[in-house]
Amino acid sequence: NAGVTQTPKFRILKIGQSMTLQCAQDMNHNYMYWYRQDPGMGLKLIYYSVGAGITDKGEVPNGYNVSRSTTEDFPLRLELAAPSQTSVYFCASSRQGKVEAGANVLTFGAGSRLTVL
Amino acid sequence: QKEVEQDPGPLSVPEGAIVSLNCTYSNSAFQYFMWYRQYSRKGPELLMYTYSSGNKEDGRFTAQVDKSSKYISLFIRDSQPSDSATYLCAMSEGSSYKLIFGSGTRLLVRP
Repeated sequence: NAGVTQTPKFRILKIGQSMTLQCAQDMNHNYMYWYRQDPGMGLKLIYYSVGAGITDKGEVPNGYNVSRSTTEDFPLRLELAAPSQTSVYFCASSRQGKVEAGANVLTFGAGSRLTVL
Repeated sequence: QKEVEQDPGPLSVPEGAIVSLNCTYSNSAFQYFMWYRQYSRKGPELLMYTYSSGNKEDGRFTAQVDKSSKYISLFIRDSQPSDSATYLCAMSEGSSYKLIFGSGTRLLVRP
């Protein structure tokens, strides 16, 4: 079982460039999430999706866009990269969205480390 | 003030020691409490999950929740070098998808 797969693992961008971080899961999970993790800070939710065709903003959505055309894939797009977007990005998925009886156990990918110079 | 506070460490202990990791929080509506373990250059993985107050034990790991003090703990008995990782607490009101994470405590268990 692959679980949650993220690509690329590492990327260096110049200011103003655009790129897409890919995320795919093979567990048939309805819910998918993008988090960013900065040193000394907790994971911050960027965007989430409750199913194909449905996405919504999290805590820190500015500068990012997402789409969810299939259950399996949830790409994150950075349109105009800025140094403040230097971070480690984690994609996660869960069977359900609500944290009840363990239903919202998140399965994380290995992360994508992005540097914007 | 952050919603969830966690000492970043690092916490260095000898093998076999009992480890105590802690988080405090300010939102009294939190009902679900989780501990995730994150190895270097990896994604977090769920370690323990508790609902409301009380204790939960799983092998060498015990999670405690004290809602009156807004304080949660993770105890690791007979710590092993393989326990060396960053431990993230996370919590939720339950009616929401949203998990609030602590910043993580880095633990190093010395052989």
